[in-house]
Amino acid sequence: DAKTTQPTSMDCAEGRAANLPCNHSTISGNEYVYWYRQIHSQGPQYIIHGLKNNETNEMASLIITEDRKSSTLILPHATLRDTAVYYCIVSKETSGSRLTFGEGTQLTVNP
Amino acid sequence: GAVVSQHPSRVICKSGTSVKIECRSLDFQATTMFWYRQFPKQSLMLMATSNEGSKATYEQGVEKDKFLINHASLTLSTLTVTSAHPEDSSFYICSASRGQGYNEQFFGPGTRLTVL
Repeated sequence: DAKTTQPTSMDCAEGRAANLPCNHSTISGNEYVYWYRQIHSQGPQYIIHGLKNNETNEMASLIITEDRKSSTLILPHATLRDTAVYYCIVSKETSGSRLTFGEGTQLTVNP
Repeated sequence: GAVVSQHPSRVICKSGTSVKIECRSLDFQATTMFWYRQFPKQSLMLMATSNEGSKATYEQGVEKDKFLINHASLTLSTLTVTSAHPEDSSFYICSASRGQGYNEQFFGPGTRLTVL
């Protein structure tokens, strides 16, 4: 699986958009970008995934660059409950494929 | 939907004893289940992948005789830490995959193991 690079930590004001970047310059053509988050002492939670088109769901938006070497997860209106470690993972789409977690980005949403 | 439970949520045991952790998919059938370990302030490390009815595939460096994994049904996988030692103290998390569609894994809440 391709390696990803994320900033160690970010801060965001409550109610503002949180933009979390991820570099995955070695991504291959059949690999998707997945985002998960982990709130302290809980299991990770799936957020969103995409291949090359931008994606949006009720939790977030995912913007993938045209060359697919980087992406940005956008939480449009961050709340205090969005404080968590956010993991950007590159993986094949095939269900049951392994996920390799990097260090992720600690997002702290401040009041 | 797609809820995964783990039991127990927290366990404290003496060194040398064995501990069993259960992972259940409550509302779907999980063809593949994964076991992760997470030490304080570190990321999740995949320990093994198990498919229902077959032997688990362990990651490099994970002792298969120490961490016994059983995936006897499509809704239950167990991880047994045999002869636990203090260095096995960690947060153990399982996840389950439905075996269809994209590679979304549903994670359990985790089990905090403390070995005295």
